[in-house]
Amino acid sequence: KQEVTQIPAALSVPEGENLVLNCSFTDSAIYNLQWFRQDPGKGLTSLLLIQSSQREQTSGRLNASLDKSSGRSTLYIAASQPGDSATYLCAVGAGSYQLTFGKGTKLSVIP
Amino acid sequence: DGGITQSPKYLFRKEGQNVTLSCEQNLNHDAMYWYRQDPGQGLRLIYYSQIVNDFQKGDIAEGYSVSREKKESFPLTVTSAQKNPTAFYLCASSMTVSSYEQYFGPGTRLTVT
Repeated sequence: KQEVTQIPAALSVPEGENLVLNCSFTDSAIYNLQWFRQDPGKGLTSLLLIQSSQREQTSGRLNASLDKSSGRSTLYIAASQPGDSATYLCAVGAGSYQLTFGKGTKLSVIP
Repeated sequence: DGGITQSPKYLFRKEGQNVTLSCEQNLNHDAMYWYRQDPGQGLRLIYYSQIVNDFQKGDIAEGYSVSREKKESFPLTVTSAQKNPTAFYLCASSMTVSSYEQYFGPGTRLTVT
């Protein structure tokens, strides 16, 4: 059964710092990997989707990479801002038409 | 604007009562999903539907029921058989089940006392 782990569970950084969030998964037979952002009490907002044939995707200050063979993905956030404070979730699309989610990393960017 | 709407945002019920959560999408997506989110846990799949009049159990379907009579709508009923119904419920949709790119609604927080 696919398992997704996100480390660390929480991260606090000063404004302006570049940072990396980590996601690992146990079964490399995936279709894609999606990074989401969730603000407190809100739904999930999709940030980046990486298909299994791709190595990375970029959107603005965000860059996500995927290494299927090692079962890892990273989300890189450049020049962090207080507005980036949220919980970041990664989800893996694999068999059985399901997404398997990690528990998230709660990011706090301190002004 | 295309998107997914969930209503209400907050819902309060007494123990022993059934309650139905609404989910509507205007994205013309075939597939729809219901997830449950508890503090400190990842999202867990309750039910999903590939097409109208079809739905499949997810990992935690016990105590829940769904229907899919229209493409746009996928209501979730939390029955009195669900032992711990208090949670944040999220609805999602995707173009098809095999696209794995899901879009989420704003969620409904259900509190049962």
